[in-house]
Amino acid sequence: DTAVSQTPKYLVTQMGNDKSIKCEQNLGHDTMYWYKQDSKKFLKIMFSYNNKELIINETVPNRFSPKSPDKAHLNLHINSLELGDSAVYFCASSQRALTDEQYFGPGTRLTVT
Amino acid sequence: GQNIDQPTEMTATEGAIVQINCTYQTSGFNGLFWYQQHAGEAPTFLSYNVLDGLEEKGRFSSFLSRSKGYSYLLLKELQMKDSASYLCAVVTDSWGKFQFGAGTQVVVTP
Repeated sequence: DTAVSQTPKYLVTQMGNDKSIKCEQNLGHDTMYWYKQDSKKFLKIMFSYNNKELIINETVPNRFSPKSPDKAHLNLHINSLELGDSAVYFCASSQRALTDEQYFGPGTRLTVT
Repeated sequence: GQNIDQPTEMTATEGAIVQINCTYQTSGFNGLFWYQQHAGEAPTFLSYNVLDGLEEKGRFSSFLSRSKGYSYLLLKELQMKDSASYLCAVVTDSWGKFQFGAGTQVVVTP
């Protein structure tokens, strides 16, 4: 059974479109994250939720909106996609926010044309 | 600001030892993680240090000196499958905010 899953795995879309990436974890963890990894492989945290509550909100354009319907899900919606949004987006989860290892999903490769 | 530095790339021979250094200057510190990431895959957890000293886990060990803002990951008896990017990540506040280094690409040669 997959611990942290993301859909879709690949997403190719045009500038200006709106798209969503879904993430689910079946580990019973309290905390979930979204990361962006750019072409230089730099991994940057975007958001973190603990028990459905937003606890980390980095300097991210407000075109990006996370939604956590329950503890096991954290979705990412992106409005008005831009070329610079092209990256791999990773979802992750951990039991606690501070000290526990994070389990990463397989990633979603987003390409904006 | 936050600053986490790692070498960009290191090359070593199968069976050898490689030490990947990570230095950090962050506004806060609540622990340091090392992750391994193979090309095209997700990062996977290797180690966590919050107190000074060495943590050993099989072929991999991680060291932390909080006063020096310094950590290293030691990979022993290198295998070809250890060719990957190694990411140092610092927890910078009590909410669990992470700052990742740019990663060190380790290339293992026969």
